[in-house]
Amino acid sequence: GESVGLHLPTLSVQEGDNSIINCAYSNSASDYFIWYKQESGKGPQFIIDIRSNMDKRQGQRVTVLLNKTVKHLSLQIAATQPGDSAVYFCAVKGDSSYKLIFGSGTRLLVRP
Amino acid sequence: DAGVIQSPRHEVTEMGQEVTLRCKPISGHDYLFWYRQTMMRGLELLIYFNNNVPIDDSGMPEDRFSAKMPNASFSTLKIQPSEPRDSAVYFCASSLAGIQPQHFGDGTRLSIL
Repeated sequence: GESVGLHLPTLSVQEGDNSIINCAYSNSASDYFIWYKQESGKGPQFIIDIRSNMDKRQGQRVTVLLNKTVKHLSLQIAATQPGDSAVYFCAVKGDSSYKLIFGSGTRLLVRP
Repeated sequence: DAGVIQSPRHEVTEMGQEVTLRCKPISGHDYLFWYRQTMMRGLELLIYFNNNVPIDDSGMPEDRFSAKMPNASFSTLKIQPSEPRDSAVYFCASSLAGIQPQHFGDGTRLSIL
């Protein structure tokens, strides 16, 4: 079945630097990808999504890159701020249903 | 805008008791999802509804779990009888039709003693 993996459970960055969080998926038929941010005691918060007909999408300070050849997804956060500290999840929709398969999450720590 | 609203935020109860978790989706959303989050298994989809009809309940762990959606603005997830291994954070999410982001509530932290 579909699986989603993250490369690093924890990422520590200096405030002001750029952050890159990576995600790999197994199903080449996956057509929708989404990133969430989860702060302690809260639910996952939608950040940005991308469909399989695109390879890059930008939001405010965030960029998602999709490489379908190697089945890899990344989230880039520009000028990382203390408020960006959280757990980041990628999720993939891989079939005709509306089910999302979530990765295990990367904890982003921002050093002052 | 009001987001997805879940209640209660915390529930502590003894093994064997019935537990009812509640969810109000975002107005106008026609998909509703129930997830469970644990350290061991991460975020797992339990069941989802479209237009109040259950579409896929393959993630429901066993017959002790049931979910209903009597109308477009309310859903419940029941566990009867509850067991300590049901302890987790339960999230409800909703989305518009089509391939759209799911928006999550802040969850119910359930502890079964």
